[in-house]
Amino acid sequence: EPEVTQTPSHQVTQMGQEVILRCVPISNHLYFYWYRQILGQKVEFLVSFYNNEISEKSEIFDDQFSVERPDGSNFTLKIRSTKLEDSAMYFCASSAPASGGYTFGSGTRLTVV
Amino acid sequence: GENVEHHPSTLSVQEGDSAVIKCTYSDSASNYFPWYKQELGKGPQLIIDIRSNVGEKKDQRIAVTLNKTAKHFSLHITETQPEDSAVYFCAAVWGMNRDDKIIFGKGTRLHILP
Repeated sequence: EPEVTQTPSHQVTQMGQEVILRCVPISNHLYFYWYRQILGQKVEFLVSFYNNEISEKSEIFDDQFSVERPDGSNFTLKIRSTKLEDSAMYFCASSAPASGGYTFGSGTRLTVV
Repeated sequence: GENVEHHPSTLSVQEGDSAVIKCTYSDSASNYFPWYKQELGKGPQLIIDIRSNVGEKKDQRIAVTLNKTAKHFSLHITETQPEDSAVYFCAAVWGMNRDDKIIFGKGTRLHILP
């Protein structure tokens, strides 16, 4: 069964450093998303991406965040200057136009120290 | 704003019994309601979904019912098994476009007791 692949599975970074979280969505999907989950809390929407541009973003997704689809397969989330409160699991997801569901990756655990 | 609430937040059932998790949502424009199961260390996995033009959907031991008037939908798991232990998230999707964001509830932790 097709999967959404995320790398790395765990990333530790120092406060103020830039991080890039990588995702390979399912190949025929056209819509891409990033979500985050702070430990023990609910999954929160960050951003959706379609046709090479952001289609919607949440209040969490401020100027420190950016997304990119640098080639035909990768979808990246960049946090320019990490803060302690950015520590969370970050999930990438993708969906196809006519399908009923969103497929999530296994997540990247980001720890900012 | 958009809001999805789980009831209860924690649920323990004896193995073999049924489990029911209910979610309420705030925006009547929601038209798609997926349920996700999240096991420790893994991403949310879609287990069943329902659209607003359908009242009930079943897939083996799992079923979902939707009451649009009351703005709630429920996940039903019958003949529960130990592997059903997980956190279950309901979600609601607003709008008709496929790039609309999912709004998740806070989740229900389901414990299956031996």
